[in-house]
Amino acid sequence: NAGVTQTPKFQVLKTGQSMTLQCAQDMNHNSMYWYRQDPGMGLRLIYYSASEGTTDKGEVPNGYNVSRLNKREFSLRLESAAPSQTSVYFCASNTPGQGKDTQYFGPGTRLTVL
Amino acid sequence: GENVEQHPSTLSVQEGDSAVIKCTYSDSASNYFPWYKQELGKRPQLIIDIRSNVGEKKDQRIAVTLNKTAKHFSLHITETQPEDSAVYFCAASLNSGGYQKVTFGTGTKLQVIP
Repeated sequence: NAGVTQTPKFQVLKTGQSMTLQCAQDMNHNSMYWYRQDPGMGLRLIYYSASEGTTDKGEVPNGYNVSRLNKREFSLRLESAAPSQTSVYFCASNTPGQGKDTQYFGPGTRLTVL
Repeated sequence: GENVEQHPSTLSVQEGDSAVIKCTYSDSASNYFPWYKQELGKRPQLIIDIRSNVGEKKDQRIAVTLNKTAKHFSLHITETQPEDSAVYFCAASLNSGGYQKVTFGTGTKLQVIP
């Protein structure tokens, strides 16, 4: 049972480049989330997927797109990276409302945009 | 929307002393309050949680209290040890449209001095 996994662990991009962050969970959770973590600002929600086939914007969606590929996988895409997107990105999953409200986090992707 | 304030931002205690971290929230509909511990370079991990129908919960050296009327909740760590040194995040959440809407505090960096 790997829990929540993310790839890559580290990435350096130049301004304007694109990339996709991958996330997968093997806990059969319905909901998946992408957060970014910046110093002094806690975790902020970028996008979420309440269930397979649905996605919606969170608090800070600008500059990002997501795809819920299937129940296990939820990817985050940066189409044209900007220095303001330098951050640590965490994926999380849970099944809210069934006594499984706890969100489990992946190990994170540290992204630097030059 | 929900707003979570967390204090203090940094906390230094001597090994063996107690540590208390306080959070307030604004949305009375929030009904689940997890606490996460994040070690340097690692993912946030749940250490304890409490639901709105409970006033206090304890797990060994860690306890959480919730005052719904005042909309505040606190984390108490007794007999602190050097391995308790980390950043701690509180959060307030509720189920909304099939996903869990979570608002995190900005974190408390706890340093336990041996």
